[in-house]
Amino acid sequence: AQSVTQPDIHITVSEGASLELRCNYSYGATPYLFWYVQSPGQGLQLLLKYFSGDTLVQGIKGFEAEFKRSQSSFNLRKPSVHWSDAAEYFCAVGPGVYGNKLVFGAGTILRVKS
Amino acid sequence: NAGVTQTPKFQVLKTGQSMTLQCAQDMNHEYMSWYRQDPGMGLRLIHYSVGAGITDQGEVPNGYNVSRSTTEDFPLRLLSAAPSQTSVYFCASSYSSGEGSPLHFGNGTRLTVT
Repeated sequence: AQSVTQPDIHITVSEGASLELRCNYSYGATPYLFWYVQSPGQGLQLLLKYFSGDTLVQGIKGFEAEFKRSQSSFNLRKPSVHWSDAAEYFCAVGPGVYGNKLVFGAGTILRVKS
Repeated sequence: NAGVTQTPKFQVLKTGQSMTLQCAQDMNHEYMSWYRQDPGMGLRLIHYSVGAGITDQGEVPNGYNVSRSTTEDFPLRLLSAAPSQTSVYFCASSYSSGEGSPLHFGNGTRLTVT
């Protein structure tokens, strides 16, 4: 069965520091991978997605993620974190490019200290 | 263009009561789905629909009913609410064809069952 593991429940980084959020997946077929961000009281917003091709994908708000098939990972990175990046981040895997029937990880809460 | 609209934003029910969570989208998306979000568990798929008149179960369908009479609307019904259904509910939609269409999420309904 497909599953997504986000090992870090909470992460705290200083403003301006780099960020890496970890995501490992288990999926029986070609994975379609996504990162979403959720601000308090809001719905989820898509940051980036990976379907095929270049394993380093760029997203909105300066985020990028790297797909590593050998490690079943899809880690999210940002070179310099801003206070407005504080939110909860979800990694998800699904069967199709349209994001249908996604399986989500438990989420990582990012705190940014000034 | 409103996107995905969920009503109500907040609801408190007593055990055994019934209610309907409303979801409407104005993007002509074929695919619609309902997720529940619980702390430490991410989002789990309840039910989904690939078009008007077509619905199917997701990972956690028990205690919930859905129907899809129009493309725009996808209500979620709780027939007899239980405390275990206390959660935040998200409706999401996307195109079922084309490339790279992500899930668009509503802002959620926070439900408390006492």
